[in-house]
Amino acid sequence: QVQLVQSGAEVKKPGASVKVSCKASGYTFTSYGISWVRQAPGQGLEWMGWISAYDGNTNYAQKLQGRVTMTTDTSTSTAYMELRSLRSDDTAVYYCARTVYYMDVWGKGTTVTVSS
Amino acid sequence: QSALTQPASVSGSPGQSITISCTGTSSDVGGYNYVSWYQHQPGKAPKLMIYDVSKRPSGVSNRFSGSKSGNTASLTISGLQAEDEADYYCSSYTSSSTHVFGTGTKVTVL
Repeated sequence: QVQLVQSGAEVKKPGASVKVSCKASGYTFTSYGISWVRQAPGQGLEWMGWISAYDGNTNYAQKLQGRVTMTTDTSTSTAYMELRSLRSDDTAVYYCARTVYYMDVWGKGTTVTVSS
Repeated sequence: QSALTQPASVSGSPGQSITISCTGTSSDVGGYNYVSWYQHQPGKAPKLMIYDVSKRPSGVSNRFSGSKSGNTASLTISGLQAEDEADYYCSSYTSSSTHVFGTGTKVTVL
């Protein structure tokens, strides 16, 4: 079946970087994009950006420009999201989602905690 | 890009119908028929309920329906059931080729 499997929880110190992976299976990876969405504690869903698995084209949320990089490895059908210069308000659950103009398949989420 | 505006909470009794609004601008909701709705229950991944304004994915109950008028989209849940209790988020594609979510609505079944 179609699924996205994300990497495990991370604990990072302020100023560090984190890289979350999202492995796709059950569909042709390069036929879709992958969005990354996060939810901070007590907050709503926030769209972080999107990458085309076909050609690697990206589009990031303006507030994260310069701190986030999304990549894919088509040989392993895996998408990655790297966030740098972490701050306490980056503490959140991070989701990957298969994307056309909507997000129809979601990973289970990766908890990233930023704490000194 | 500002979040789309949703009511913070909506409630209803079992069997009733409720409607959640989602207000944006001509650069997102009003400009494209790419509005989607997601159900998010605690500890779970969000679930796609409606896409392209009014289409239902396979497996989603026909009690869920979507519509749009101008810059405002709406999600209606008819025949409300206890299992519908969750947070609901709208989302839209935008003129910047990005996506934006709504502020979220907590649905309570009384």
